[in-house]
Amino acid sequence: NAGVMQNPRHLVRRRGQEARLRCSPMKGHSHVYWYRQLPEEGLKFMVYLQKENIIDESGMPKERFSAEFPKEGPSILRIQQVVRGDSAAYFCASSPYPTSGRALGEAKNIQYFGAGTRLSVL
Amino acid sequence: AQSVAQPEDQVNVAEGNPLTVKCTYSVSGNPYLFWYVQYPNRGLQFLLKYITGDNLVKGSYGFEAEFNKSQTSFHLKKPSALVSDSALYFCAVTNNAGNMLTFGGGTRLMVKP
Repeated sequence: NAGVMQNPRHLVRRRGQEARLRCSPMKGHSHVYWYRQLPEEGLKFMVYLQKENIIDESGMPKERFSAEFPKEGPSILRIQQVVRGDSAAYFCASSPYPTSGRALGEAKNIQYFGAGTRLSVL
Repeated sequence: AQSVAQPEDQVNVAEGNPLTVKCTYSVSGNPYLFWYVQYPNRGLQFLLKYITGDNLVKGSYGFEAEFNKSQTSFHLKKPSALVSDSALYFCAVTNNAGNMLTFGGGTRLMVKP
């Protein structure tokens, strides 16, 4: 069972361009979470999606950022008109059930992380 | 609002000695607590979790953590450190009503031979 796959691993954009980050969850996982990590800091929650639905986007900047998780295909985090402050590592995680769910089995509440996409804005 | 504090930016320990990485949390409701490890240029790897049950939780690679409700702590421990344990460790919390993980700032563990 392949893990959470993120691509590209590294992405370089110039200011004003668009960045599209892709995340394929683990097989059988329908819950996807995006986090951003600034250098030497912890991860900050951005958005939580379930197939075709945004469940919680309380951590997403109000402008330029959007996320989707279509019925078919990977989840996409899209950043329009990137600025230097967007430079960070973006991590995707997936889980088979909601983290808060009552499924307390061995692996059901765990968010499994991908290797991340490191975005550099020039 | 929920929060996590990892008071030590770095912990240094000699190989073979016990290690402790500290974590305290604040959350409403029942806490769900997690430890993850991050190696350079890699994603986070799950180590262990506390949802309910025994306060002492055993996880991967010989790590364990003790949930202390009165002190709102969830310290990570290992009886005998290995050089290969050197990495960045993150504590995270959510609760029985939430789905987003709130992470601490991370603690860099350095194990010297």
